[in-house]
Amino acid sequence: DQQVKQNSPSLSVQEGRISILNCDYTNSMFDYFLWYKKYPAEGPTFLISISSIKDKNEDGRFTVFLNKSAKHLSLHIVPSQPGDSAVYFCAARARGAGNMLTFGGGTRLMVKP
Amino acid sequence: NAGVTQTPKFQVLKTGQSMTLQCAQDMNHEYMSWYRQDPGMGLRLIHYSVGAGITDQGEVPNGYNVSRSTTEDFPLRLLSAAPSQTSVYFCASSIGQGVQPQHFGDGTRLSIL
Repeated sequence: DQQVKQNSPSLSVQEGRISILNCDYTNSMFDYFLWYKKYPAEGPTFLISISSIKDKNEDGRFTVFLNKSAKHLSLHIVPSQPGDSAVYFCAARARGAGNMLTFGGGTRLMVKP
Repeated sequence: NAGVTQTPKFQVLKTGQSMTLQCAQDMNHEYMSWYRQDPGMGLRLIHYSVGAGITDQGEVPNGYNVSRSTTEDFPLRLLSAAPSQTSVYFCASSIGQGVQPQHFGDGTRLSIL
């Protein structure tokens, strides 16, 4: 059973609007979460992360929110740009697991001009 | 500024053949790992290494072998290829064992007939 789930395989948003990508997890031992962005024929690139001691982390247009009680995190992109069109992966690390990450299945974001 | 380099980019094998996927990084990173990406499954960890001479299994290690004789190189060997190993393989590295954003190569697309 997948411990990290991204239930929306795809999302389409108009340029300039907000994109919200969601991620749910089941393992209570997860204490660090990351978002990666992936373009076709390239490897994933790190976007933003959040520790379980926080509920929000912001970096420019990107904000990640963590709701530990719901075991849910979300990535907000405001404003969305066509260059944001990519697959976004949520990943989590369990306490004591070093740098071993568990990834979600990904969400394909399409930002329309 | 090469980062993480994977070769080859594409490969077609017949069932039962063996091959080695190469991965090299020039950032002097201690931590290296191999993932496979399958549709809807996200990235799953195959093997990882926390330094030269040290390797360990990830989530899906069966059918794969690794070694880490130098800091720079972390090859992945398929001993007897099976169609179930058709996938896109990513190598990643990071600076240490704690949670650090991992730098990914551009992947090797492997098809096994």
